[in-house]
Amino acid sequence: NAGVTQTPKFHILKIGQSMTLQCTQDMNHNYMYWYRQDPGMGLKLIYYSVGAGITDKGEVPNGYNVSRSTTEDFPLRLELAAPSQTSVYFCASSSSGVGGANVLTFGAGSRLTVL
Amino acid sequence: KNQVEQSPQSLIILEGKNCTLQCNYTVSPFSNLRWYKQDTGRGPVSLTIMTFSENTKSNGRYTATLDADTKQSSLHITASQLSDSASYICVVTSNSGYALNFGKGTSLLVTP
Repeated sequence: NAGVTQTPKFHILKIGQSMTLQCTQDMNHNYMYWYRQDPGMGLKLIYYSVGAGITDKGEVPNGYNVSRSTTEDFPLRLELAAPSQTSVYFCASSSSGVGGANVLTFGAGSRLTVL
Repeated sequence: KNQVEQSPQSLIILEGKNCTLQCNYTVSPFSNLRWYKQDTGRGPVSLTIMTFSENTKSNGRYTATLDADTKQSSLHITASQLSDSASYICVVTSNSGYALNFGKGTSLLVTP
């Protein structure tokens, strides 16, 4: 079992460019999440999805978009990249909502630098 | 505002020694509290999850405690190993909404 797989692991982007961070999970989890982790800060929720075709904003959604066409995949799109989006991005999944004691499985992260 | 505060910010201990990490929170209403271990360059990995009715949970050499009345939790690591060097993150979930409230983590370094 691969769990949650993120690509790319590292990427450098120029200001104003766009790119997509890929996330796929093979655990048949309905719930998927995107977080960002800035140095010395706690993880912040960007977007989440409770199933295919359903997405919703988290705490820090500005500058990002997501889609969920399949259960397995949850890509994160950065439009018009800004230096403030330099961060480490983590995708995660769970079998049901985090309100219950459900384990959240994280990917290894994607380190993005915007110059 | 929901907050999760962890202490100390960083800690250095000798291999074989025990240590205790602290987590205080103001998240309400409370659903569960999680401890994660995050190795450098990797994603967080779940250690323990405790609900309101649980006051202790163990996972090998890791033991978490929860006092829901004082809104405090601790993570005790017994007989530390070099592989315990990592960031330990306390996460508190409210039973409203989907947001996990993450602490900033305690960076632990275990030296030979």
